[in-house]
Amino acid sequence: GEDVEQSLFLSVREGDSSVINCTYTDSSSTYLYWYKQEPGAGLQLLTYIFSNMDMKQDQRLTVLLNKKDKHLSLRIADTQTGDSAIYFCAERDYGQNFVFGPGTRLSVLP
Amino acid sequence: SAVISQKPSRDICQRGTSLTIQCQVDSQVTMMFWYRQQPGQSLTLIATANQGSEATYESGFVIDKFPISRPNLTFSTLTVSNMSPEDSSIYLCSVELGQGVVEAFFGQGTRLTVV
Repeated sequence: GEDVEQSLFLSVREGDSSVINCTYTDSSSTYLYWYKQEPGAGLQLLTYIFSNMDMKQDQRLTVLLNKKDKHLSLRIADTQTGDSAIYFCAERDYGQNFVFGPGTRLSVLP
Repeated sequence: SAVISQKPSRDICQRGTSLTIQCQVDSQVTMMFWYRQQPGQSLTLIATANQGSEATYESGFVIDKFPISRPNLTFSTLTVSNMSPEDSSIYLCSVELGQGVVEAFFGQGTRLTVV
Protein backbone atom coordinates (compact mmCIF):
# COMPACT_ATOMS: atom_id res chain seq x y z
CA GLY A 1 0.00 0.00 0.00
CA GLU A 2 0.89 3.65 0.00
CA ASP A 3 3.56 4.81 2.39
CA VAL A 4 4.80 8.21 3.52
CA GLU A 5 8.15 8.58 5.27
CA GLN A 6 9.61 11.46 7.25
CA SER A 7 12.57 11.93 9.53
CA LEU A 8 11.29 11.98 13.09
CA PHE A 9 13.26 14.87 14.60
CA LEU A 10 14.77 18.18 13.52
CA SER A 11 16.45 20.85 15.64
CA VAL A 12 17.28 24.32 14.40
CA ARG A 13 18.37 27.62 15.90
CA GLU A 14 15.91 30.48 16.08
CA GLY A 15 16.26 32.64 12.98
CA ASP A 16 17.66 29.82 10.83
CA SER A 17 15.72 28.08 8.07
CA SER A 18 14.14 24.67 8.70
CA VAL A 19 13.76 22.08 5.99
CA ILE A 20 11.48 19.13 6.66
CA ASN A 21 11.61 16.32 4.13
CA CYS A 22 9.07 13.71 3.10
CA THR A 23 9.05 10.84 0.62
CA TYR A 24 6.03 8.95 -0.62
CA THR A 25 5.44 5.87 -2.70
CA ASP A 26 2.11 6.42 -4.43
CA SER A 27 2.85 7.67 -7.93
CA SER A 28 -0.81 8.58 -8.42
CA SER A 29 -0.80 11.06 -5.54
CA THR A 30 -2.71 14.09 -6.70
CA TYR A 31 -2.37 16.30 -3.64
CA LEU A 32 0.37 16.62 -1.06
CA TYR A 33 -0.12 18.40 2.22
CA TRP A 34 1.70 19.76 5.22
CA TYR A 35 -0.08 19.86 8.56
CA LYS A 36 1.18 21.28 11.86
CA GLN A 37 0.29 19.87 15.27
CA GLU A 38 1.13 21.92 18.33
CA PRO A 39 1.18 20.24 21.76
CA GLY A 40 -2.31 19.28 22.89
CA ALA A 41 -3.91 20.52 19.70
CA GLY A 42 -5.40 19.08 16.54
CA LEU A 43 -3.92 19.37 13.07
CA GLN A 44 -3.67 22.71 11.36
CA LEU A 45 -3.45 22.75 7.58
CA LEU A 46 -0.37 24.75 6.60
CA THR A 47 -0.36 24.33 2.86
CA TYR A 48 -0.89 21.87 0.05
CA ILE A 49 0.40 21.44 -3.47
CA PHE A 50 -0.99 19.81 -6.57
CA SER A 51 1.18 17.15 -8.13
CA ASN A 52 1.49 19.16 -11.35
CA MET A 53 3.29 21.94 -9.47
CA ASP A 54 6.91 21.90 -8.36
CA MET A 55 6.89 24.81 -5.96
CA LYS A 56 4.51 26.81 -3.83
CA GLN A 57 5.38 29.75 -1.61
CA ASP A 58 3.27 31.26 1.14
CA GLN A 59 4.95 33.88 3.33
CA ARG A 60 7.66 32.05 5.30
CA LEU A 61 6.72 28.66 3.90
CA THR A 62 8.10 27.17 0.69
CA VAL A 63 7.01 23.76 -0.54
CA LEU A 64 9.13 21.96 -3.13
CA LEU A 65 7.92 18.87 -4.96
CA ASN A 66 10.12 16.53 -6.97
CA LYS A 67 7.55 14.23 -8.52
CA LYS A 68 10.15 12.07 -10.26
CA ASP A 69 11.80 11.22 -6.94
CA LYS A 70 8.49 11.37 -4.99
CA HIS A 71 10.09 13.85 -2.60
CA LEU A 72 8.34 16.74 -0.87
CA SER A 73 9.93 19.34 1.36
CA LEU A 74 8.74 22.18 3.57
CA ARG A 75 11.07 25.08 4.18
CA ILE A 76 10.31 27.49 7.00
CA ALA A 77 12.29 30.70 6.74
CA ASP A 78 13.37 32.62 9.85
CA THR A 79 12.20 29.84 12.17
CA GLN A 80 10.69 31.06 15.44
CA THR A 81 10.05 29.32 18.76
CA GLY A 82 6.35 29.32 17.88
CA ASP A 83 7.16 27.02 14.98
CA SER A 84 8.07 24.23 17.41
CA ALA A 85 5.55 21.48 16.67
CA ILE A 86 5.10 18.19 14.86
CA TYR A 87 4.81 18.53 11.09
CA PHE A 88 2.92 15.88 9.16
CA CYS A 89 3.31 15.23 5.48
CA ALA A 90 0.26 13.65 3.82
CA GLU A 91 -0.70 12.55 0.36
CA ARG A 92 -3.80 11.42 -1.40
CA ASP A 93 -5.23 10.73 -4.79
CA TYR A 94 -8.45 12.43 -5.86
CA GLY A 95 -11.40 10.98 -3.98
CA GLN A 96 -9.22 8.75 -1.84
CA ASN A 97 -8.30 8.84 1.83
CA PHE A 98 -5.32 10.63 3.28
CA VAL A 99 -2.09 8.77 4.01
CA PHE A 100 -0.09 10.53 6.72
CA GLY A 101 3.58 10.29 7.48
CA PRO A 102 4.84 9.66 11.01
CA GLY A 103 5.47 13.35 11.66
CA THR A 104 8.66 15.35 12.18
CA ARG A 105 9.10 16.94 15.58
CA LEU A 106 10.69 20.36 15.04
CA SER A 107 12.51 21.87 18.00
CA VAL A 108 13.57 25.49 17.75
CA LEU A 109 16.47 26.38 20.02
CA PRO A 110 16.99 29.94 21.29
CA SER B 1 -12.62 26.90 6.24
CA ALA B 2 -14.60 25.21 8.99
CA VAL B 3 -14.60 25.54 12.77
CA ILE B 4 -14.76 22.15 14.45
CA SER B 5 -15.54 21.63 18.11
CA GLN B 6 -14.83 18.33 19.80
CA LYS B 7 -16.06 17.35 23.23
CA PRO B 8 -14.63 16.32 25.59
CA SER B 9 -11.12 17.63 24.99
CA ARG B 10 -9.75 14.98 27.32
CA ASP B 11 -10.96 12.26 29.63
CA ILE B 12 -9.66 9.55 31.90
CA CYS B 13 -11.85 6.46 31.85
CA GLN B 14 -12.00 3.11 33.60
CA ARG B 15 -11.41 -0.01 31.54
CA GLY B 16 -14.58 -1.72 30.43
CA THR B 17 -16.55 1.53 30.15
CA SER B 18 -17.50 3.47 27.02
CA LEU B 19 -16.93 7.09 26.00
CA THR B 20 -18.81 9.06 23.38
CA ILE B 21 -16.95 11.87 21.63
CA GLN B 22 -18.89 14.62 19.89
CA CYS B 23 -17.86 16.59 16.82
CA GLN B 24 -19.77 19.75 15.88
CA VAL B 25 -19.03 21.78 12.75
CA ASP B 26 -20.11 25.38 12.21
CA SER B 27 -21.31 24.70 8.67
CA GLN B 28 -22.75 21.84 6.66
CA VAL B 29 -20.04 19.56 5.34
CA THR B 30 -20.06 16.72 2.90
CA MET B 31 -17.58 14.40 4.54
CA MET B 32 -16.78 13.71 8.19
CA PHE B 33 -14.08 11.34 9.35
CA TRP B 34 -12.73 9.94 12.59
CA TYR B 35 -9.02 9.32 13.14
CA ARG B 36 -6.97 7.77 15.91
CA GLN B 37 -3.53 9.00 16.87
CA GLN B 38 -1.82 6.60 19.23
CA PRO B 39 0.95 7.97 21.47
CA GLY B 40 3.90 9.10 19.37
CA GLN B 41 2.27 7.82 16.19
CA SER B 42 0.75 9.25 13.07
CA LEU B 43 -2.94 9.39 12.24
CA THR B 44 -4.93 6.30 11.31
CA LEU B 45 -8.34 6.60 9.72
CA ILE B 46 -11.00 4.76 11.73
CA ALA B 47 -14.03 5.41 9.56
CA THR B 48 -15.98 7.76 7.36
CA ALA B 49 -19.16 8.98 9.03
CA ASN B 50 -22.01 8.86 6.51
CA GLN B 51 -25.07 11.00 7.00
CA GLY B 52 -28.18 8.87 7.28
CA SER B 53 -26.43 5.52 6.86
CA GLU B 54 -23.88 3.27 8.51
CA ALA B 55 -20.31 4.47 8.74
CA THR B 56 -17.65 3.02 6.44
CA TYR B 57 -14.92 1.41 8.53
CA GLU B 58 -11.29 0.92 7.62
CA SER B 59 -9.52 -2.39 7.96
CA GLY B 60 -8.92 -3.22 11.60
CA PHE B 61 -11.84 -1.19 12.95
CA VAL B 62 -15.33 -2.56 13.60
CA ILE B 63 -18.69 -1.05 14.37
CA ASP B 64 -19.12 -2.92 17.65
CA LYS B 65 -15.98 -1.32 19.05
CA PHE B 66 -16.34 2.13 17.45
CA PRO B 67 -20.00 2.88 16.77
CA ILE B 68 -20.46 6.13 14.88
CA SER B 69 -23.50 8.30 14.37
CA ARG B 70 -24.06 11.14 11.94
CA PRO B 71 -27.62 12.42 12.23
CA ASN B 72 -27.07 15.53 10.09
CA LEU B 73 -24.49 17.42 8.03
CA THR B 74 -22.93 19.26 10.99
CA PHE B 75 -22.66 16.68 13.78
CA SER B 76 -21.16 13.26 14.43
CA THR B 77 -20.29 11.09 17.41
CA LEU B 78 -17.72 8.36 17.92
CA THR B 79 -18.09 5.93 20.79
CA VAL B 80 -15.14 3.95 22.07
CA SER B 81 -16.72 0.86 23.61
CA ASN B 82 -15.53 -1.54 26.29
CA MET B 83 -12.30 0.38 26.62
CA SER B 84 -8.92 -1.08 27.45
CA PRO B 85 -5.60 0.72 28.05
CA GLU B 86 -4.71 0.05 24.39
CA ASP B 87 -7.47 2.49 23.42
CA SER B 88 -5.56 5.36 25.03
CA SER B 89 -5.07 7.73 22.12
CA ILE B 90 -6.04 11.06 20.69
CA TYR B 91 -9.22 10.81 18.63
CA LEU B 92 -9.67 13.44 15.95
CA CYS B 93 -12.66 14.48 13.92
CA SER B 94 -11.98 15.74 10.39
CA VAL B 95 -14.22 17.32 7.77
CA GLU B 96 -14.13 18.14 4.10
CA LEU B 97 -16.36 20.87 2.80
CA GLY B 98 -17.50 19.35 -0.46
CA GLN B 99 -16.75 18.17 -3.94
CA GLY B 100 -13.71 19.79 -5.47
CA VAL B 101 -12.47 21.15 -2.13
CA VAL B 102 -9.14 19.53 -1.43
CA GLU B 103 -8.50 20.72 2.11
CA ALA B 104 -9.39 18.69 5.17
CA PHE B 105 -9.86 20.37 8.54
CA PHE B 106 -9.37 18.83 11.95
CA GLY B 107 -10.82 19.31 15.39
CA GLN B 108 -8.54 19.84 18.35
CA GLY B 109 -8.81 16.19 19.32
CA THR B 110 -9.96 14.24 22.35
CA ARG B 111 -7.15 12.88 24.48
CA LEU B 112 -8.37 9.63 26.03
CA THR B 113 -6.56 7.79 28.80
CA VAL B 114 -7.88 4.41 29.89
CA VAL B 115 -6.80 3.18 33.30
